[in-house]
Amino acid sequence: SQTIHQWPATLVQPVGSPLSLECTVEGTSNPNLYWYRQAAGRGLQLLFYSVGIGQISSEVPQNLSASRPQDRQFILSSKKLLLSDSGFYLCAWSIGLAGENEQFFGPGTRLTVL
Amino acid sequence: AQSVTQLGSHVSVSEGALVLLRCNYSSSVPPYLFWYVQYPNQGLQLLLKYTSAATLVKGINGFEAEFKKSETSFHLTKPSAHMSDAAEYFCAVSGDSGYSTLTFGKGTMLLVSP
Repeated sequence: SQTIHQWPATLVQPVGSPLSLECTVEGTSNPNLYWYRQAAGRGLQLLFYSVGIGQISSEVPQNLSASRPQDRQFILSSKKLLLSDSGFYLCAWSIGLAGENEQFFGPGTRLTVL
Repeated sequence: AQSVTQLGSHVSVSEGALVLLRCNYSSSVPPYLFWYVQYPNQGLQLLLKYTSAATLVKGINGFEAEFKKSETSFHLTKPSAHMSDAAEYFCAVSGDSGYSTLTFGKGTMLLVSP
């Protein structure tokens, strides 16, 4: 069966510090991978998605970046965090290109920027 | 372009009462529609999805949703609420655009009282 892992589970960082969140998927190959941010009362905002190694599409311009160094690894990074980067970050995966395929979500990382 | 509107950021019901969570969508192509549930500090779990096979879709935990094209709606219902149903519910839409990116509504928090 497939599983998705995210770490860390919680993170408290000062403004201006770097960020690295990691997501890995097990039990599948060539997944589409996604990063979302969830802020209170604002639903889920798609940040990045990837259809293959080294292929990243950005949905929202900001000070975050994403990388996919391996087939089942997706990393979210920032060089300098802002207060507005606080939120709940969710990684997800799906198989197939058609829109009918559901996404499967990881447990999330709660980021607080102080 | 596609969008989702969830009416009511909070819905309160008594245990045993009917649950109705509303979702209206906008899509320029035939949509695929999803309902997800999120428990506090967890990732999202798929409840059900509509992929044009049948307009009435049954999901997990006794939930179901009906696709009504004429009303551009995909409301979620459950005949009898249970305390364990208390969570946040998200409606999402994707189009047959080649990549399964989802557009989420802002969510509805379901509160269940004894």
